[in-house]
Amino acid sequence: SAVISQKPSRDICQRGTSLTIQCQVDSQVTMMFWYRQQPGQSLTLIATANQGSEATYESGFVIDKFPISRPNLTFSTLTVSNMSPEDSSIYLCSVKAGGNEQYFGPGTRLTVT
Amino acid sequence: GEDVEQSLFLSVREGDSSVINCTYTDSSSTYLYWYKQEPGAGLQLLTYIFSNMDMKQDQRLTVLLNKKDKHLSLRIADTQTGDSAIYFCAEGRGSYIPTFGRGTSLIVHP
Repeated sequence: SAVISQKPSRDICQRGTSLTIQCQVDSQVTMMFWYRQQPGQSLTLIATANQGSEATYESGFVIDKFPISRPNLTFSTLTVSNMSPEDSSIYLCSVKAGGNEQYFGPGTRLTVT
Repeated sequence: GEDVEQSLFLSVREGDSSVINCTYTDSSSTYLYWYKQEPGAGLQLLTYIFSNMDMKQDQRLTVLLNKKDKHLSLRIADTQTGDSAIYFCAEGRGSYIPTFGRGTSLIVHP
C-alpha cells in the first residue's frame, strides 16, 4: 500500500490568483496522477506525472493552466493558475502501487471566490 | 453514454444488507475496483476483483462480477452508520488508468 498526504487540505482563493498543491508519498512510485472531483461528479484525470519527464495531460487540460512538477519519486506538485470560480473543486493526488492498486490522497478542497 | 454507470443514491436501514450496483462497457477490463469516500476524505480502496473471478468475499464485503453482462456489485452485510459514504466503482486494464463511475451515496439510517 501507499500513504499519501496533501497540502493544503483546503483553501479559499481569489479569482486570478494561483495555488500550488503538494503531494507526498511514503514510498517511491513511478506514476503519480492528479484528479479533479467536482461536486456530484466522478473523478476526472488531469494528468499523469512521471519523474524525469514532462507530465502527460488529458484532453481538456493544459500545462499553462495546470503546471505540474515531479522532482523525485515521492513528491509532486500541481498548480492551479489564474483561478476562476469554475476551478472550485477537490483535487486529488493518486499513485499506483503493488501492481494494480491505486491509492489516493485525502484531497485538497479548493474554493475560488 | 458513460463508460461506468452507477445509481447515485442508496438508502438502507442499519443492520440490513446494502447492494451497490455498477455496469461498465469495456469488455477488455481486467480489474474491477470498489472505492469508498467518506466526507472530507480521499478515496479508500476497499477491494478489487480480477475479471476471471466471479466472486470475492472480504469480511462484510462481497463483490460479484457478471462478466457477460458487464455488471459488478458490492454487497455490504450488516450495514452500519459508519458505512455511510460514497462508493465508487472503477474498471481498468493492466497499467491503464482506471475509469471511475460517478459514485453511489450510501445513506444508512437507524
